[in-house]
Amino acid sequence: GQSLEQPSEVTAVEGAIVQINCTYQTSGFYGLSWYQQHDGGAPTFLSYNALDGLEETGRFSSFLSRSDSYGYLLLQELQMKDSASYFCAVRDNPGGYNKLIFGAGTRLAVHP
Amino acid sequence: ETGVTQTPRHLVMGMTNKKSLKCEQHLGHNAMYWYKQSAKKPLELMFVYNFKEQTENNSVPSRFSPECPNSSHLFLHLHTLQPEDSALYLCASSQDTNYEQYFGPGTRLTVT
Repeated sequence: GQSLEQPSEVTAVEGAIVQINCTYQTSGFYGLSWYQQHDGGAPTFLSYNALDGLEETGRFSSFLSRSDSYGYLLLQELQMKDSASYFCAVRDNPGGYNKLIFGAGTRLAVHP
Repeated sequence: ETGVTQTPRHLVMGMTNKKSLKCEQHLGHNAMYWYKQSAKKPLELMFVYNFKEQTENNSVPSRFSPECPNSSHLFLHLHTLQPEDSALYLCASSQDTNYEQYFGPGTRLTVT
């Protein structure tokens, strides 16, 4: 079967660093994406890792280890506006086209 | 604003009603998607259209019927729904299925 595991909730304070882990078990794997979704809003794309290693985009970084079927999203210098749900998603290519398989999401609450 | 719009934003319908959800993208993309998002569950892919051809029907009940008249518009026709179909229905688009997806704000559907 296909499954992605990520913590359901994480709490942190402003200015801190938080890491959201994602482990996956899928029949195929082309890469790992991360999306952010604020309450009542659309999921928005944050990052994509196809190869092992760390990708940095401003305050956000994403890491992938294909051998461990594991990745994480690192958020630095947390701000109140970072309070949202974060989804990891595996990109698979089952029939010659890509599709995303999503985790259930991690709800991040940032406190003053 | 991601360039993907959905109407209506909220919909309440009875189990015997027929209604349609509309999605429009202004990004020049060729692939469009319908997802279902239920509370504390992963986003579930329902349908994929690539260059107006349906390439994925993820075992969705026939009471959901998609239509893609052109690469900018996607509809989801609903009839004889069940209360468990109440959810947020998200539309997304991408340049083609090999690229990242951009989501609309969703339609919050309640079936009574």
